[in-house]
Amino acid sequence: GNSVTQMEGPVTLSEEAFLTINCTYTATGYPSLFWYVQYPGEGLQLLLKATKADDKGSNKGFEATYRKETTSFHLEKGSVQVSDSAVYFCALSDTYDKVIFGPGTSLSVIP
Amino acid sequence: EAQVTQNPRYLITVTGKKLTVTCSQNMNHEYMSWYRQDPGLGLRQIYYSMNVEVTDKGDVPEGYKVSRKEKRNFPLILESPSPNQTSLYFCASTLTSGRNEQFFGPGTRLTVL
Repeated sequence: GNSVTQMEGPVTLSEEAFLTINCTYTATGYPSLFWYVQYPGEGLQLLLKATKADDKGSNKGFEATYRKETTSFHLEKGSVQVSDSAVYFCALSDTYDKVIFGPGTSLSVIP
Repeated sequence: EAQVTQNPRYLITVTGKKLTVTCSQNMNHEYMSWYRQDPGLGLRQIYYSMNVEVTDKGDVPEGYKVSRKEKRNFPLILESPSPNQTSLYFCASTLTSGRNEQFFGPGTRLTVL
């Protein structure tokens, strides 16, 4: 079946460091891909998305590119801030409209 | 304000006592969904609904029921809760399908003793 794999956390970075969170997926057809963020004590919010191969989603300095050849959707940010500390979830929506989330990656940014 | 609301936010109950968690959205969304969040497992979809009277199973539907009699409401029913249903539950809605941005409720923390 369809699945999403994310790098294990927690990830701890210093402020202004470069961030990469890896995400790979298994799916038939052409899924849509998402990154959601969950701040402490809150529900999830959409961070960015991509709907077809080679699309790049971007928001708040974060970027991810839909790579069909490597079935990946890695999240990157050039310079993280303390306020980016949160849990990040990679997700896909398949051709049957089911949504599958990865296990989440916890990020802590220290001053 | 556009939002998804869930009630209750916190619930402690005992094994076998039927309960309902309500979910309501005011955005006229067609697609609604329930997830449970467990440590190390991320969010897993329980049920989803693509419109009124249309529901389908997600990845972990066992032990849960849903109904969609009105567009705005999508209650989650646990007929006979068990301790393995202790979890954090999220309701979400989106305009037409899972391929669109989902808007999440604040979550319901359920403990089954």
